[in-house]
Amino acid sequence: KNEVEQSPQNLTAQEGEFITINCSYSVGISALHWLQQHPGGGIVSLFMLSSGKKKHGRLIATINIQEKHSSLHITASHPRDSAVYICAVRNYGGATNKLIFGTGTLLAVQP
Amino acid sequence: DAGVTQSPTHLIKTRGQQVTLRCSPKSGHDTVSWYQQALGQGPQFIFQYYEEEERQRGNFPDRFSGHQFPNYSSELNVNALLLGDSALYLCASSLRGVGYTFGSGTRLTVV
Repeated sequence: KNEVEQSPQNLTAQEGEFITINCSYSVGISALHWLQQHPGGGIVSLFMLSSGKKKHGRLIATINIQEKHSSLHITASHPRDSAVYICAVRNYGGATNKLIFGTGTLLAVQP
Repeated sequence: DAGVTQSPTHLIKTRGQQVTLRCSPKSGHDTVSWYQQALGQGPQFIFQYYEEEERQRGNFPDRFSGHQFPNYSSELNVNALLLGDSALYLCASSLRGVGYTFGSGTRLTVV
């Protein structure tokens, strides 16, 4: 079982829909990242969370430390939001606090 | 302010050859992590360098080695390339494990 699980793996939405991507993890963490990866590979960091909720434009990220769960919401989705969204946790402990990645959610927003 | 720069962007090598990938971290960052991302998968941690030393290593064979220079830039070396080494190699820099910034990656194809 992966230490970081995302759902769904694939998501197709119509433009304007509200989208939710979920992330569950099984390790102790010091922070959780939501990342966006476009075709070609480049990764952009959207959020880093250690508690509560953050909002940036149409994107909202929440985390529940007790339940080891985080969600990424996209309001009023647009075709330009089409990308892979990856949840990554910063593993607490050790000398490096390495990142452990989920396998990603492929989002396609259709006009 | 330049972000993380990786070179080359694409590379084709033959089985058995050796390859060196390079990463320049974001200005002000002192820690470099390397990840391997196979097609359709989330990135997997290879190793992390801080203060010119390998601080932690993922589940990768000794064919994968690295180096960090005094200016914090880093190299990833892979010897005796296998077909299965074909992947996107991502470099991420941070300040002592906080505030990750990702490069666009090097796409390695082994034929």
